[in-house]
Amino acid sequence: EAGVTQFPSHSVIEKGQTVTLRCDPISGHDNLYWYRRVMGKEIKFLLHFVKESKQDESGMPNNRFLAERTGGTYSTLKVQPAELEDSGVYFCASSAGWTGGTDTQYFGPGTRLTVL
Amino acid sequence: AQRVTQPEKLLSVFKGAPVELKCNYSYSGSPELFWYVQYSRQRLQLLLRHISRESIKGFTADLNKGETSFHLKKPFAQEEDSAMYYCALLSGGYNKLIFGAGTRLAVHP
Repeated sequence: EAGVTQFPSHSVIEKGQTVTLRCDPISGHDNLYWYRRVMGKEIKFLLHFVKESKQDESGMPNNRFLAERTGGTYSTLKVQPAELEDSGVYFCASSAGWTGGTDTQYFGPGTRLTVL
Repeated sequence: AQRVTQPEKLLSVFKGAPVELKCNYSYSGSPELFWYVQYSRQRLQLLLRHISRESIKGFTADLNKGETSFHLKKPFAQEEDSAMYYCALLSGGYNKLIFGAGTRLAVHP
């Protein structure tokens, strides 16, 4: 079974440009999450989709970030315009929901974003 | 506030030595805790979760509610255990994970 995939693996852009990150969850997983780790900091939650609906977007840093999940399958995270402080690793995770008393999130390899 | 603390950035041991990676949490209610591991050039992967009370790759972790801890232990470290280890708490009422800063384990031959 394929795991969570993310594209691209690495993106280098200039300040002010736009970047779109993509995440394909494990097939059948209704829950999709975005996290990020900026330099020297903890991995922080950004938002959570259940199918195509945003369940929780409390971690989105500002309105330069826009996440979508059309049709409840893959998701995109757009940063427009990018700022220097957006540099970091963006992780996507997916889960099947509460089964066996817990909900396990499976992570993608991450996209390393560098804003120059 | 819900928080996870991993006090050690780096833990360096020799092969065969016991390992304990510390994790303390702040949470009201019954916590749902996990250990994730990231080996070099690999993705974050689940190592174990407290609800399963399992042992993976020789690692165990016991939830101690009195001390609000979920330390990860292994009696004899192997070189292939060298990795970044993250303790995480599932936020109550939501599905978001709250991560600690991570501890890098280096096992030397």
